[in-house]
Amino acid sequence: NAGVTQTPKFRILKIGQSMTLQCTQDMNHNYMYWYRQDPGMGLKLIYYSVGAGITDKGEVPNGYNVSRSTTEDFPLRLELAAPSQTSVYFCASSRRTSGGPGSEQFFGPGTRLTVL
Amino acid sequence: QKEVEQNSGPLSVPEGAIASLNCTYSDRGSQSFFWYRQYSGKSPELIMSIYSNGDKEDGRFTAQLNKASQYVSLLIRDSQPSDSATYLCAPVGNQFYFGTGTSLTVIP
Repeated sequence: NAGVTQTPKFRILKIGQSMTLQCTQDMNHNYMYWYRQDPGMGLKLIYYSVGAGITDKGEVPNGYNVSRSTTEDFPLRLELAAPSQTSVYFCASSRRTSGGPGSEQFFGPGTRLTVL
Repeated sequence: QKEVEQNSGPLSVPEGAIASLNCTYSDRGSQSFFWYRQYSGKSPELIMSIYSNGDKEDGRFTAQLNKASQYVSLLIRDSQPSDSATYLCAPVGNQFYFGTGTSLTVIP
């Protein structure tokens, strides 16, 4: 049971380039999330998904896109990278939401992205 | 008003002391409360969950919840240098909020 895995671990992009951050979970969780964390700051929700085919925006969705074609995978797409997108990106998943046992989120190891 | 308020610290305690971390939240609908530990350069790791008023103990960790005061805390007894990390509070209701975290340093 690998939990939540993310690739790549590190990436340097030039301004205007695009890339996809991969996220996979093997816990059969319905709910998946993408966060970004800037240095010394908290986690900000970018997008989340409540199941295959269903996604919704979080607090900071501009400049990003997501898709959820399977329960396991939730890739995050960056289009036209900008220096403001330099951050650490975490993917997370949970069995349920709205409180109660099972709503705790489990995190992947993160992707450290630098845009120059 | 921020959804979750935590003292950002840094909080420094000597090895063996009790570290007390506090969190207040604004969503009265929050039903679950989680504490995550995040080491520098690593991802958040769940260390405690609490769902009802009162105390919950797990080893050296005790979570305390007071829903009427919208307050949750984490006590770490016999603090160790390995406890040095940032601790994130996360109340869960209709949405999942994370606090910005309290940085804890345990001094040997």
